[in-house]
This record gives sequence, structure tokens and C-alpha cells, in this order.
Amino acid sequence: EIVLTQSPGTLSLSPGERATLSCRASQSVSSSYLAWYQQKPGQAPRLLIYGASSRATGIPDRFSGSGSGTDFTLTISRLEPEDFAVYYCQQYGSSPPITFGPGTKVDIK
Amino acid sequence: QVQLVESGGGVVQPGGSLRLSCAASGFTFSSYGMHWVRQAPGKGLEWVAFIRYDGSNKYYADSVKGRFTISRDNSKNTLYLQMNSLRAEDTAVYYCAKDAPWYFDLWGRGTLVTVSS
Repeated sequence: EIVLTQSPGTLSLSPGERATLSCRASQSVSSSYLAWYQQKPGQAPRLLIYGASSRATGIPDRFSGSGSGTDFTLTISRLEPEDFAVYYCQQYGSSPPITFGPGTKVDIK
Repeated sequence: QVQLVESGGGVVQPGGSLRLSCAASGFTFSSYGMHWVRQAPGKGLEWVAFIRYDGSNKYYADSVKGRFTISRDNSKNTLYLQMNSLRAEDTAVYYCAKDAPWYFDLWGRGTLVTVSS
């Protein structure tokens, strides 16, 4: 089973700042199967990025994904007030299980 | 309106059973695989189970294998999760999610399952 590690655990930033979130896999992940989700309190997760770098429908272009192999990054270029949330990466390997990272909380400094 | 709506959650005693449902609308349900994902209170996301669009293949997380059964009724646009031999550690919000494939592009709002005596 591929284990995903996310860092930092919490990121304290101000609106307008740039956020860089890391997701590291215990073994190589196909870029086609690396996704990022945003979750706000009391809400279901929302798909942001799939295929490591493709934005989902309706996602603003301040969100971008990059990376390959075992190291992936989600970048939020300029934080808006609505971006303060928890972010999860997720991978699918050659067969289930699907695994998620433990999440990075982006909170207001 | 494209949506998934879960139901069937509640409080159940350890060792008990519960069946969750997920009603799909606004898309061709029978063309897509479907998943269950859960989230324990204050914790992260855990994938639970997957079923192919036609029900021909099913996969489970090790933590629920042998206790949970995923199924679907394409004539009713509904996904199910039969949960038996429930444990305290199964307490979570259970989400159904549409397969995209192998990531989740549509989520329901979730239904809370509490296993407690």
C-alpha cells in the first residue's frame, strides 16, 4: 500500500500570500492518479486537481498542481478568504486500495 | 441537478448492522463506478469500497473486508453499503463519491454513523 505524507501539518498564512503544500508518496505514483481535495468544516471534500496538474471544473486558476514520481505540490498563488481549509492529496496505484494523505490545514495567521 | 444524497446513518450498538443508501441524480448513474469514503470525527479521509458501473467488480479496504458489502441498483440510481459487525472504530461520516476514474469528482454531503453502546 502506498502511504502519502503531507507537509506541513498546518500552514498559517495571511490572505494574499502564496501557499505551497507538499505531498510525498512512499513509492512512485502515476501522475494520472494523483488528486487534491479541499475540505471546509462541515462540508464534503471538493475536487481541486486531478492527474497531478489538471484543474477540476470551476476551480480558480490560483490553484495549481505539479510534481511526479513521489513528490507532488499544490500551490495557491494568492490566498483568498475562502481558501482557508484542509487540503488532502489522494493516489490510486496499480490496484486498490486508494489512499489519502493526512491533510494540511491552511489557517489564517 | 447533479447530486448524491446519502441516507441511513444513525446510532447502532457494537456488533450491529446498518445499511446506507446513496441516491444519485443528474447524471447517468449506470455508466460510472462508485465509492464509499469515510471520515472519523476530527480525522482524515479513508477510502472504504468501490463498485464498478455494472457491479461486476468490488474492492474493499482491509479495515472493512468481510464485514461491509457494497452494491448498487442501477434501475433505482442508488448505491448501497451494508455494514455488519460494526465496531466503535467504524464511527464516521460516510460519503458516497462518483468515480472519475480513480479519483472522486462528485461527493454527497455524507451521513453520520455512530457505533456506541
